[in-house]
Amino acid sequence: ETGVTQTPRHLVMGMTNKKSLKCEQHLGHNAMYWYKQSAKKPLELMFVYSLEERVENNSVPSRFSPECPNSSHLFLHLHTLQPEDSALYLCASSQDNSQPQHFGDGTRLSIL
Amino acid sequence: KQEVTQIPAALSVPEGENLVLNCSFTDSAIYNLQWFRQDPGKGLTSLLLIQSSQREQTSGRLNASLDKSSGRSTLYIAASQPGDSATYLCAPFSNTGKLIFGQGTTLQVKP
Repeated sequence: ETGVTQTPRHLVMGMTNKKSLKCEQHLGHNAMYWYKQSAKKPLELMFVYSLEERVENNSVPSRFSPECPNSSHLFLHLHTLQPEDSALYLCASSQDNSQPQHFGDGTRLSIL
Repeated sequence: KQEVTQIPAALSVPEGENLVLNCSFTDSAIYNLQWFRQDPGKGLTSLLLIQSSQREQTSGRLNASLDKSSGRSTLYIAASQPGDSATYLCAPFSNTGKLIFGQGTTLQVKP
């Protein structure tokens, strides 16, 4: 198993659908992150969880809802998304907020 | 608000050249700085982490330097190879662990 695993790798959904992105880390880390990477824009931090508590919500619309049931798993629940939400969604983890972040391969999301 | 600029935006070189990728940031009150590479369609691979108390870090053919006072970091790649072709991202982070990314430098090394 690689360090940080994201599923699915690709997702196509309509604007009225509800879906979830999953991230799992096998590194024993205590912090997990969601990032969004849109075309021609820098990576943007969305959410930070430390020891399963959300410590940062970077002004993300409520149609994105994160969940961290334990220190190894992180979800991003999606509902009523817009076409501009099409992007690569990356998950990362780190031992704590001063240590290197390790990334998964991302979920490529397309909104029809 | 921290802003990160990477120069050049794109670079194409023949194999074997030594390269310098530049990163500048507006807020020098950073905690650490991390360099990544990203291959097309993939996530980010961590290359080097420089702590705020350090001036540089080395890993194989890679050397990264950090000058906090001037808001600059440099990634030096020695003897470039086609396998080094990727986008290189610089990300300073605050003491809360928030990474701020630049747009990256897309590198192509031709055989």
